Amino acid sequence: EAQVTQNPRYLITVTGKKLTVTCSQNMNHEYMSWYRQDPGLGLRQIYYSMNVEVTDKGDVPEGYKVSRKEKRNFPLILESPSPNQTSLYFCASGGSSYEQYFGPGTRLTVT
Amino acid sequence: GENVEQHPSTLSVQEGDSAVIKCTYSDSASNYFPWYKQELGKGPQLIIDIRSNVGEKKDQRIAVTLNKTAKHFSLHITETQPEDSAVYFCAASTSNDYKLSFGAGTTVTVRA
Repeated sequence: EAQVTQNPRYLITVTGKKLTVTCSQNMNHEYMSWYRQDPGLGLRQIYYSMNVEVTDKGDVPEGYKVSRKEKRNFPLILESPSPNQTSLYFCASGGSSYEQYFGPGTRLTVT
Repeated sequence: GENVEQHPSTLSVQEGDSAVIKCTYSDSASNYFPWYKQELGKGPQLIIDIRSNVGEKKDQRIAVTLNKTAKHFSLHITETQPEDSAVYFCAASTSNDYKLSFGAGTTVTVRA
């Protein structure tokens, strides 16, 4: 089954404790992206990657890092999480016709 | 950058009636307009999209229209059913660029 997977689905952590959210897709897509979703704001892009070793900032990149060492994986790294990064995070991958497919989401709470 | 506005923010319809959600965009270079449905606890799911070389696209009970001159596009759901209850997002992007700019979402409730 073609899909985007994320782990963990739920995470509660404390301020300053580094964490990584993994994302993997099995559709051989070159494009991958991370979004955060906050009430009333829709989805905002954090980082994206057009291909292996190629990443770029989206609209809200502050406090986040990403890496793209393999085509299928695109982890999101919060090196020093803060409470304002409490949000619902989605990973997405994009096909050749520019349609994007989203993962199930990771709900992060930073206390 | 692109700014997408979506209305209404909430929409309640009687089962069997139609639902219409409207979006406007600011960047005339945008030419790809997808719609996503997000059910509770799940990620957004692409339900239909339209490109700027067509004015309307239909898929069963769902249709999308695009007015490039006015820079707005709409989602139409006919014969609504309880399973249509969800949050719907519109988005816009330009060709050769995967970057999607999303509207704030519309919560649709279908009353039985």
